[in-house]
This record gives sequence, C-alpha cells and structure tokens, in this order.
Amino acid sequence: KQEVTQIPAALSVPEGENLVLNCSFTDSAIYNLQWFRQDPGKGLTSLLLIQSSQREQTSGRLNASLDKSSGRSTLYIAASQPGDSATYLCAVTSGAGSYQLTFGKGTKLSVIP
Amino acid sequence: DAGITQSPRHKVTETGTPVTLRCHQTENHRYMYWYRQDPGHGLRLIHYSYGVKDTDKGEVSDGYSVSRSKTEDFLLTLESATSSQTSVYFCAISDRLGQETQYFGPGTRLLVL
Repeated sequence: KQEVTQIPAALSVPEGENLVLNCSFTDSAIYNLQWFRQDPGKGLTSLLLIQSSQREQTSGRLNASLDKSSGRSTLYIAASQPGDSATYLCAVTSGAGSYQLTFGKGTKLSVIP
Repeated sequence: DAGITQSPRHKVTETGTPVTLRCHQTENHRYMYWYRQDPGHGLRLIHYSYGVKDTDKGEVSDGYSVSRSKTEDFLLTLESATSSQTSVYFCAISDRLGQETQYFGPGTRLLVL
C-alpha cells in the first residue's frame, strides 16, 4: 500500500526566506505527483503536477522536483511571502489508469512578516 | 476556480439519521470523487464516479453510498450517520483519470452528535 510522508509537519520562516518542503512515498511506481495548497477552512488548490517521466515543474516562485527512484519530491518556494502561509499537501497517483490519489498529511507553513 | 459547489456547507445531525451531501459541477468533467479529511489521516477517497451511473469504491467506503444520475451532480449518502463520520467532506473533479490534476470543491463540514 502506498504511503506518503511529509516532513516537517509545521514550518515557520521569516518573510523573504527561501524554503523547501519535503515529500516521500514508499512505492516508486507512481504515475504522477501533485502539490496542493490548502488555506484554513477551504478546499485544495492545485499548484504543480509532475508526470513520472518529468524531473521538475515550475510555476512562478514555486519549483517542484521529483526523484521517482528514491521516492522523493521537494517543493521549493523562493522569496517567501506572508500570503504563502497555508498547508501544503503532496499526493501521488499510483499506476497508469489509477484513479486514486494518496495524500500526505501536509506541512503547515507560516511566513512571519 | 473550477465550477464546483457543495451543499450544504455545514451540517449538524444526530447519530442514526440519514444524510445526503451534494456536489455540483459546471465543468462537464467526466470523473468525480468524494474524499473525507480528518486530523491525523489526511484526505482519503470514499467513492468515485467515472460517468453517469458508473461508480466505484475507494479506500474508506463502508457506511457510504453514492449516486450520479447526471454528469453535473454526484451525491454522497450516509445511510445511518455515526459519530465516526464526523469529518470534512470534499468533492473533486477531473477530466482524465489519473492523468491530470483534480479540482476540489470548498468542502462540507459534518458533525454527527
């Protein structure tokens, strides 16, 4: 059974700092990996999706990398802002044609002004 | 934002009563999903649908049933609510199974007393 782990569970950084969030998964036979953002009391917003054949994806100040063989992904946030404060979730789809996303429990990020 | 609404947004009910949650989409996406989110467990898939009248079970389907009579509506029913079903329920949609991101609704907060 696929398991997704996110470390740390919570992170607090001063504004302007670059930071890295980590995600690991136990079964490397994934189809894709996604990073989501969740604000308190809200639904999930997709940030980046990396297909298994890709190594990284970038969107603005966000860069996500994928090392499928080692079962790891990182989300890099450059020049953090207070508006980046949220919970960040990693999720993997296992196997071609699979419907099921397996989620990590998230990293709660606080960016201090 | 993807056109996904959930109703009700908040509900308090008593143990043993039936409860139906509704997810409505305006995107004409084929696939629809119901998740529950609980502290310590992250998001877990309850049921999903791959077309009108076509549904299947997810990881935590016991105690839940679903129906999809129209492309735009996916209903989740708790036949006899229990306190363990107190949770936040999210609906999600996607256009291609496992190959693209899922778009999430705002969630329904359910409290079973």
